[in-house]
Amino acid sequence: EAGVTQFPSHSVIEKGQTVTLRCDPISGHDNLYWYRRVMGKEIKFLLHFVKESKQDESGMPNNRFLAERTGGTYSTLKVQPAELEDSGVYFCASSQVASGETQYFGPGTRLLVL
Amino acid sequence: GENVEQHPSTLSVQEGDSAVIKCTYSDSASNYFPWYKQELGKRPQLIIDIRSNVGEKKDQRIAVTLNKTAKHFSLHITETQPEDSAVYFCAASITDSWGKLQFGAGTQVVVTP
Repeated sequence: EAGVTQFPSHSVIEKGQTVTLRCDPISGHDNLYWYRRVMGKEIKFLLHFVKESKQDESGMPNNRFLAERTGGTYSTLKVQPAELEDSGVYFCASSQVASGETQYFGPGTRLLVL
Repeated sequence: GENVEQHPSTLSVQEGDSAVIKCTYSDSASNYFPWYKQELGKRPQLIIDIRSNVGEKKDQRIAVTLNKTAKHFSLHITETQPEDSAVYFCAASITDSWGKLQFGAGTQVVVTP
């Protein structure tokens, strides 16, 4: 069984540019989560999809971040325009059941905004 | 909302010794507590979890304890080995929160031979 995959693994962009991160969850997992770890701090929740619907986007920092999951399969997270404080590692995770169930993490996308 | 504190931030142990990482949480409604291990350059992986109806759980050299009254839980690693070196994250979630995990800041564990 393939695990959660993320693309790209690294991205270096300049402030003001746009970046789109992609996550492919484990096949059959309806629940998809985005998290972010900034500067060695805790991993912070960004949002949660159930199939193609946003169940909880309370962790999204601001309206420069846009997440989509068209068709309920892969998801994208777009940052536009990127700011310096957006630098960090963006993780995607998926699970079959939403509550109290193992979330399988992807390897993350390391984003550096210069 | 939920807040999870994790200590220590770094932990250096001699191979063969035990390691203990402690976490506290703020929301008494939290009922699921997973621990993730992230080796250098790899993805976070679940190593053990515990639910609020259980006080302790073991899996070989790893154990987790939960004190609901005090709102803290701990990870215990016995007979540490060099491959235990990694960053460990504790997390908490509430059943009604659709699985959203609130993580601690992580503990860098270094096992020296």
